[in-house]
Amino acid sequence: AQSVTQLGSHVSVSEGALVLLRCNYSSSVPPYLFWYVQYPNQGLQLLLKYTSAATLVKGINGFEAEFKKSETSFHLTKPSAHMSDAAEYFCAVRAGGSNYKLTFGKGTLLTVNP
Amino acid sequence: EAGVAQSPRYKIIEKRQSVAFWCNPISGHATLYWYQQILGQGPKLLIQFQNNGVVDDSQLPKDRFSAERLKGVDSTLKIQPAKLEDSAVYLCASSPQAFANTGELFFGEGSRLTVL
Repeated sequence: AQSVTQLGSHVSVSEGALVLLRCNYSSSVPPYLFWYVQYPNQGLQLLLKYTSAATLVKGINGFEAEFKKSETSFHLTKPSAHMSDAAEYFCAVRAGGSNYKLTFGKGTLLTVNP
Repeated sequence: EAGVAQSPRYKIIEKRQSVAFWCNPISGHATLYWYQQILGQGPKLLIQFQNNGVVDDSQLPKDRFSAERLKGVDSTLKIQPAKLEDSAVYLCASSPQAFANTGELFFGEGSRLTVL
């Protein structure tokens, strides 16, 4: 069975600082990996996805993530935080198979300080 | 393109009462999901439909939860009787067949349930 672990339930950065949100996965088969963002009182929105193509994946709003098989990691980064980035971020994994089931991590709340 | 629609957005009930949530997926999306998101946790899949058939309901508490997808379009999730621990946001998501291999989901805004 697949699983994800997000290190740090709450990350606080200053505006303009580097954003680093950590995600480690466990999967018995090559995974598909995702980062979703959830703004207050809204549903989840896909930020980016890794589907076995390039290991460095670029997403919306300047975010990117790198798939590292040796470290079983898929950390999310953004060079310069903006106030509008404040939200909750979820890492998710989908193993191979036909039922498309995603398993989500517990989420990391990002706070951006002025 | 209209997104995934859910109603009601908020619902407060007392324990042992019943509640129903409705979801209208994006037009043409074959796959529909119901997720439960408890405060401080990530979304947990309750049930997945492919057209009007159930693909996965392994984490649905079937003694109190039920779900159906009429004619492969709209879906209803029902809880009867509700327990305190059912307080959560219920998220509906859909996905087109073309995205079947990537698992990209389109989420609604959710229905927040408070059980007193």
